[in-house]
Amino acid sequence: DSGVTQTPKHLITATGQRVTLRCSPRSGDLSVYWYQQSLDQGLQFLIQYYNGEERAKGNILERFSAQQFPDLHSELNLSSLELGDSALYFCASSMGTGGRIQYFGAGTRLSVL
Amino acid sequence: AQRVTQPEKLLSVFKGAPVELKCNYSYSGSPELFWYVQYSRQRLQLLLRHISRESIKGFTADLNKGETSFHLKKPFAQEEDSAMYYCALFSYNAGNMLTFGGGTRLMVKP
Repeated sequence: DSGVTQTPKHLITATGQRVTLRCSPRSGDLSVYWYQQSLDQGLQFLIQYYNGEERAKGNILERFSAQQFPDLHSELNLSSLELGDSALYFCASSMGTGGRIQYFGAGTRLSVL
Repeated sequence: AQRVTQPEKLLSVFKGAPVELKCNYSYSGSPELFWYVQYSRQRLQLLLRHISRESIKGFTADLNKGETSFHLKKPFAQEEDSAMYYCALFSYNAGNMLTFGGGTRLMVKP
């Protein structure tokens, strides 16, 4: 077990709604990364936080936002959901800012109906 | 911008046959490349990195800067190698991020 915990495992919602995905990193890891995995796009990097601050940004839509709290857990907020947002959302963590070796969570499967 | 390409979505081989999972990259700096693997119902995990030049579970991968490739190879495939394999490139240019390829599903038939 890698120690990265993601909740919920599955989420079903409707278009236009807002959801929050939660991630707890491995003990001692300060960086959290969010990825979106969809069938046609593969694994896409969204955003990285390190010790509470945004560190790097990838292909994250403006409707999406994230934050990392003082206890180092992170939340990914997805709003005004569209059908195309249906995907697996992975969280990963690493000790430092360099994310060469990342430890992944089991993912949250989001279905937008 | 960096890019990682895995041309095969699915690779099917028989047990005992050699395996080569292809990965090509484009990157302007000095690349750091990795292979991650996701076995059925398990999490994505690191398999190997080019810097360490080691063999993990019989797999090796050599960085070929001339061909901008980092193919994953195993001389004799086993059924337990069946999984999804992702090639990834680490870069500082756009922040500390891993850029993943689209993945290749390896199926090893008995």
